[in-house]
Amino acid sequence: GQNIDQPTEMTATEGAIVQINCTYQTSGFNGLFWYQQHAGEAPTFLSYNVLDGLEEKGRFSSFLSRSKGYSYLLLKELQMKDSASYLCAAHGTGANNLFFGTGTRLTVIP
Amino acid sequence: ETGVTQTPRHLVMGMTNKKSLKCEQHLGHNAMYWYKQSAKKPLELMFVYNFKEQTENNSVPSRFSPECPNSSHLFLHLHTLQPEDSALYLCASSQVQQSPYEQYFGPGTRLTVT
Repeated sequence: GQNIDQPTEMTATEGAIVQINCTYQTSGFNGLFWYQQHAGEAPTFLSYNVLDGLEEKGRFSSFLSRSKGYSYLLLKELQMKDSASYLCAAHGTGANNLFFGTGTRLTVIP
Repeated sequence: ETGVTQTPRHLVMGMTNKKSLKCEQHLGHNAMYWYKQSAKKPLELMFVYNFKEQTENNSVPSRFSPECPNSSHLFLHLHTLQPEDSALYLCASSQVQQSPYEQYFGPGTRLTVT
């Protein structure tokens, strides 16, 4: 079976750094996605990790450890607009199979 | 129009009604998906179409019936729904042979079954 775990909610202060963790167990693994979803809007792609290590993209970075079944999304210099849900999704075998976690609802406070 | 569009954005229907959700992608992709998003639950994959052919049906009740007339359009036909079917229904598309297989989502249809 598939199991994707991430915290339900997090709160952080504007200007700070926050790390959102995700652990996964899937039958077959080809990579790990992070999506951002603002309330009432579509999920939008943030990052995709296939190899172990850190991928940096502006204020957002994503890390993957395949041996540990673990990923995190790091958000730096938090802004109020970063308040959203962050969805972790494991790419299983086959080009279509994405398995999503419940999402982490991040609230940025002044 | 760009990206993935969905209509209607909001739908309220009784349990005996029949309605359809529509999705259109303008990205030239060859795969389309229906997902269900309920509060505090993971996104649930319902149906997958590759090159207009249905390749996945994740134990979805028959009161949900998908239709994919071409690679740009996807429908979800609804009939005799239950209150627990109230949720956000998201459509997505992707290019299957092109890594990173990123899926592009539409804004969703917020469905309320009364």
